[in-house]
Amino acid sequence: AQTVTQSQPEMSVQEAETVTLSCTYDTSESDYYLFWYKQPPSRQMILVIRQEAYKQQNATENRFSVNFQKAAKSFSLKISDSQLGDAAMYFCAYRSGSNYQLIWGAGTKLIIKP
Amino acid sequence: DGGITQSPKYLFRKEGQNVTLSCEQNLNHDAMYWYRQDPGQGLRLIYYSQIVNDFQKGDIAEGYSVSREKKESFPLTVTSAQKNPTAFYLCASSIDGTGAYNEQFFGPGTRLTVL
Repeated sequence: AQTVTQSQPEMSVQEAETVTLSCTYDTSESDYYLFWYKQPPSRQMILVIRQEAYKQQNATENRFSVNFQKAAKSFSLKISDSQLGDAAMYFCAYRSGSNYQLIWGAGTKLIIKP
Repeated sequence: DGGITQSPKYLFRKEGQNVTLSCEQNLNHDAMYWYRQDPGQGLRLIYYSQIVNDFQKGDIAEGYSVSREKKESFPLTVTSAQKNPTAFYLCASSIDGTGAYNEQFFGPGTRLTVL
């Protein structure tokens, strides 16, 4: 069975600096998708970025980018120029290409220091 | 505005009661999902539905039931058989179940507390 591991329960970063959140996953499949979701204090879950496993190029969305290492089964999220509004729980999620079910990590709480 | 609504925001249940959580979407999505979120854990799938009048159990379906009579609506009933129902419940929808991206959009959630 697939699993997703986020080894950092909590991270903190100074405003305007860069922070990287870690995620590793375990799968024997070759076709899959990876996601980072953000859950702010309002608890509304919001998609931040996604990556298709067959794409070698790392996904980027404005200040958010990923470092996708397929062989190492690693999918880290880099947030550049951190802002106070980035404070939230961040969840990594995996989906098989043949399934619709998302497998979730336990989350990392990101604290932004002003 | 298109989106997903969940009601109520807070719900209190007495021992032995069944309660129903509402989830409505106007995104014209085929697939809908119910998740449970507990502190320190990721989301766990309770039930999902890929099409009207059809739904499947997720990883933790025991003590829960659902219906999908309309495309827009996917209510979740927490029955008295669910021994530890206190949690945050999230409803989500996606265009379909197996599309390439299948981005799931989430509602604001319902916090259920057992008294």
